[in-house]
Amino acid sequence: AQSVTQLDSHVSVSEGTPVLLRCNYSSSYSPSLFWYVQHPNKGLQLLLKYTSAATLVKGINGFEAEFKKSETSFHLTKPSAHMSDAAEYFCVVSDQAGGGNKLTFGTGTQLKVEL
Amino acid sequence: DTAVSQTPKYLVTQMGNDKSIKCEQNLGHDTMYWYKQDSKKFLKIMFSYNNKELIINETVPNRFSPKSPDKAHLNLHINSLELGDSAVYFCASSQMAGITYEQYFGPGTRLTVT
Repeated sequence: AQSVTQLDSHVSVSEGTPVLLRCNYSSSYSPSLFWYVQHPNKGLQLLLKYTSAATLVKGINGFEAEFKKSETSFHLTKPSAHMSDAAEYFCVVSDQAGGGNKLTFGTGTQLKVEL
Repeated sequence: DTAVSQTPKYLVTQMGNDKSIKCEQNLGHDTMYWYKQDSKKFLKIMFSYNNKELIINETVPNRFSPKSPDKAHLNLHINSLELGDSAVYFCASSQMAGITYEQYFGPGTRLTVT
């Protein structure tokens, strides 16, 4: 079974500084990976996805992630944090076993952005 | 227009009751899902339907019964509610089963069982 591990449950940054949210994956074959964001009391929004094309994936709101097979990582980055980035971020792997498209979520990283 | 909508947004009920949550998507997708998010914000898939056919059925108590009247709708009925059923339930949809298309999520239904 595929899985993802988010290495930090909480990350705190100052506004205008870089953001790094770490994610490692475990997969027996080339995975499809996603980052979703959940703002307080809201649904989940797709930030970006990797599906075996370019290893550097650009997403919305200035976020990007790099797929590194040698390190089994898919870390999310942003050059400059904004107050509106404060939210819960989920690293997700897709499992297509059995014909379904099952997403397996990491445990989440809460990003806090301070003035 | 809302892509994936759920009703109700909040649901407060007592143990032992039966309740339903409705989900509708207007994206033209043929696959829909139910996820449960617990109090620690951990998300886990419960069910998936493709063209009204159940294709994913995780280890969920049989008190939970999904129903898909057509590919734009997926409802979740819960019998004999228990305290542990308190959670946020998210509906999602995607373009096609078997191919990795991103899933679009609804706003969630916060269920509180007292």
